Amino acid sequence: DTEVTQTPKHLVMGMTNKKSLKCEQHMGHRAMYWYKQKAKKPPELMFVYSYEKLSINESVPSRFSPECPNSSLLNLHLHALQPEDSALYLCASSQDFVRSNSYEQYFGPGTRLTVT
Amino acid sequence: SQKIEQNSEALNIQEGKTATLTCNYTNYSPAYLQWYRQDPGRGPVFLLLIRENEKEKRKERLKVTFDTTLKQSLFHITASQPADSATYLCASGSGNTGKLIFGQGTTLQVKP
Repeated sequence: DTEVTQTPKHLVMGMTNKKSLKCEQHMGHRAMYWYKQKAKKPPELMFVYSYEKLSINESVPSRFSPECPNSSLLNLHLHALQPEDSALYLCASSQDFVRSNSYEQYFGPGTRLTVT
Repeated sequence: SQKIEQNSEALNIQEGKTATLTCNYTNYSPAYLQWYRQDPGRGPVFLLLIRENEKEKRKERLKVTFDTTLKQSLFHITASQPADSATYLCASGSGNTGKLIFGQGTTLQVKP
């Protein structure tokens, strides 16, 4: 199974709402990632988890809160978002990058988020 | 700072021709480069990885080269088909950190 699944596919939320994005993989990967992608731009890294620990936070505003409950699951909790946060949010996973200096990333289909 | 650039935003070619996409890097020497394909509204899909000590890599109709002198990778699709129409992204890792730096992408349109 080389699939990364993400739910929901689409999400519309108001600026005062709290919602969560979910990501799951069963490839035994120990690294998981959140990316944000705006139209006609490349994916922009937000967070990296390695062995369920946060290893990179790319100066993301605190209204985005990641969580890695176990090696297969990754969540992104959203609170008090702004309209400019509307984007495609992509989850990815890869093999352990600490011991290997090259690794392809497997991406999910993304969640299309609209903040009104 | 490390930079990876794909010079062409868009490339239009006729079916059956070879598409050649370019990726240039500056201010660093990546140990490898990766190429991904992304269709509209979907996540990128990994295609090929080439290491700095490899000159060329092939997979079916795809070929990628890595020239450390020119600081450039070329990605070729031979006998292109309309189904190859998509955005192609090159990327490289930043040390053993898990961080992947993407180029801006080139949108390929193959016309029948």
